[in-house]
Formats: sequence, structure tokens, C-alpha cells
Amino acid sequence: IAGITQAPTSQILAAGRRMTLRCTQDMRHNAMYWYRQDLGLGLRLIHYSNTAGTTGKGEVPDGYSVSRANTDDFPLTLASAVPSQTSVYFCASRAASRTEAFFGQGTRLTVV
Amino acid sequence: AQSVTQLDSQVPVFEEAPVELRCNYSSSVSVYLFWYVQYPNQGLQLLLKYLSGSTLVKGINGFEAEFNKSQTSFHLRKPSVHISDTAEYFCAVISVGAAGNKLTFGGGTRVLVKP
Repeated sequence: IAGITQAPTSQILAAGRRMTLRCTQDMRHNAMYWYRQDLGLGLRLIHYSNTAGTTGKGEVPDGYSVSRANTDDFPLTLASAVPSQTSVYFCASRAASRTEAFFGQGTRLTVV
Repeated sequence: AQSVTQLDSQVPVFEEAPVELRCNYSSSVSVYLFWYVQYPNQGLQLLLKYLSGSTLVKGINGFEAEFNKSQTSFHLRKPSVHISDTAEYFCAVISVGAAGNKLTFGGGTRVLVKP
């Protein structure tokens, strides 16, 4: 079934550790996004990529980095995790010809 | 810059009663508007969208929303809810022509349908 796959589903991480959240889509969508979801704040954009090879900063980029080596993959890296990065992370993608985005199932990350 | 405000963080409603979820947006240019639904422990699914044309938009599962440009609103309605409509609902906006077509979300409205 076509869609977006995120891994891991959940993770408990010690503060200070490095972590990469994986996101893969098989819809050949040009644009991809990373959001974090926090209670009462909705979803906030961390980083985005309009096409392979390009990335941009969203609303809350500090402490996160991304890469877009190819169309399908858009990993999100926390270089040195802190407790405030405890959140649910969603990856999304969008075709260039469409306006709506499609979302993965999310990664629940707890930093202790 | 664009922003979205969902005026109610939680809405309790009885089964078969109507529900309205309020959404107001701010943008200096034209917008595309969306409502997404998130069922427990799942990702977001598109309910409906407004791009242009008729201001009344019908979506899946009996939901509809009305775009009101003068009031900068995009309220979501359903005339009769079911238990299965218990979920969190997010209003979102894209400013037309903005670089990256980035979706900006409201804070969400949690709907709890009671029997």
C-alpha cells in the first residue's frame, strides 16, 4: 500500500544522545515535511524540503537537522537530544501538483 | 506570516447532536484552507479542503465547512455526530504563492462524543 512510513514507532532516549527519525514515502511526492505535535500547540513545522537536494527551516528548527538525498527519504536528526524535544513527530509529503499533504503514523519520542 | 486559531480546545457533544468547530485564520494573501482529523494513536487524515469556488465545502464522513472571507473563518460542522467521530480536529492554512506551500496548523480541537 502506497504511503509514508516512519520509524521507529516510539522511542525512549537518554538526554544527550543522537537520534535519527526515519521517513520514507513511495508516492514520488516532491515536497516533504517534519512536524512536531504538542498538546495545545497543534503541529509545528520543523523542517521541510521542496525537492530532493533542497531543505528549509520551519517554525521550530533549533536542535534538529534534515537531509534530502533522494525523493523518497527525509530523515530527521536530533544531534543531542534534550527533554523539551519529547513530542510526537509526524512526517508528511505532498505532490507538486496538489495542495494537500499526506501524513505518516508518527513517532512518539520521549527524552529522559 | 500566516496563523490559525481554533477557538475551542475541547468540545463535548452527545451522539446524534450537531457539532461546530471554529477556525479563524490570518494571512496577508489568499489562502487554501484544510481540516484534518486525527483518530487516537494515528496520523492525520484530510477531511476537506477549500481552494476556490463555492464557499461551502463538503468532506468525508458527513462533515462540511464554510469559508467566510470577510470574517476570515473556516468553521467545520456536522449535523449529527457518531461515537466514531471522537477525535482531534485540526484546521490548517496555506498562503497562496508562499514559498514551500507550508501548512500552518491551529492548536486542535478535541471532540468527545458521548452516548
